[in-house]
Amino acid sequence: GENVEQHPSTLSVQEGDSAVIKCTYSDSASNYFPWYKQELGKRPQLIIDIRSNVGEKKDQRIAVTLNKTAKHFSLHITETQPEDSAVYFCAANGGSYIPTFGRGTSLIVHP
Amino acid sequence: EAQVTQNPRYLITVTGKKLTVTCSQNMNHEYMSWYRQDPGLGLRQIYYSMNVEVTDKGDVPEGYKVSRKEKRNFPLILESPSPNQTSLYFCATGGQGLAEEKLFFGSGTQLSVL
Repeated sequence: GENVEQHPSTLSVQEGDSAVIKCTYSDSASNYFPWYKQELGKRPQLIIDIRSNVGEKKDQRIAVTLNKTAKHFSLHITETQPEDSAVYFCAANGGSYIPTFGRGTSLIVHP
Repeated sequence: EAQVTQNPRYLITVTGKKLTVTCSQNMNHEYMSWYRQDPGLGLRQIYYSMNVEVTDKGDVPEGYKVSRKEKRNFPLILESPSPNQTSLYFCATGGQGLAEEKLFFGSGTQLSVL
């Protein structure tokens, strides 16, 4: 089955800095890579996703890049704000509709 | 309004006392799943269902049961809870067509087994 590794487990940045979270996957059949954000005490919610036929996708301050050859994808957050503080999960679908999640990254943005 | 309704929000119980956590969705999704979330371990899948009467084990199924008698409901059953099942549980649903793979999560159930 699919295996997703996510790094770092904790990321601390100053407000206004950029943050990058990286994930690797094992199954070359994976073709859908979502990112979920979980604020403290809340449910995970999708913030951005990318398909294997696209190398990069942007939505305002967040972007995701995908390198299929190396089997890794990354989340980039620019101009971080305190409300970006949360746990972020990457996932890969292994070519099916069943996602495998990474272990999560706790992002802390200091004012 | 699209909703995934999960109950209860908090549950404290004792070892061995059977319990059920309910999950209901109004989006006509085929795919439903249960996850447990523990610090440092992320979201681990317990069971999933691709359609009515079809269920499969995830990564950590031991000690849990599920059923999918109707498309909208997917309850999680702990027949004899133990303290190592103390965790935060999430139900999630999704479609099976292209561009429908986004998951919608319930509000979570914090379970404590004493």
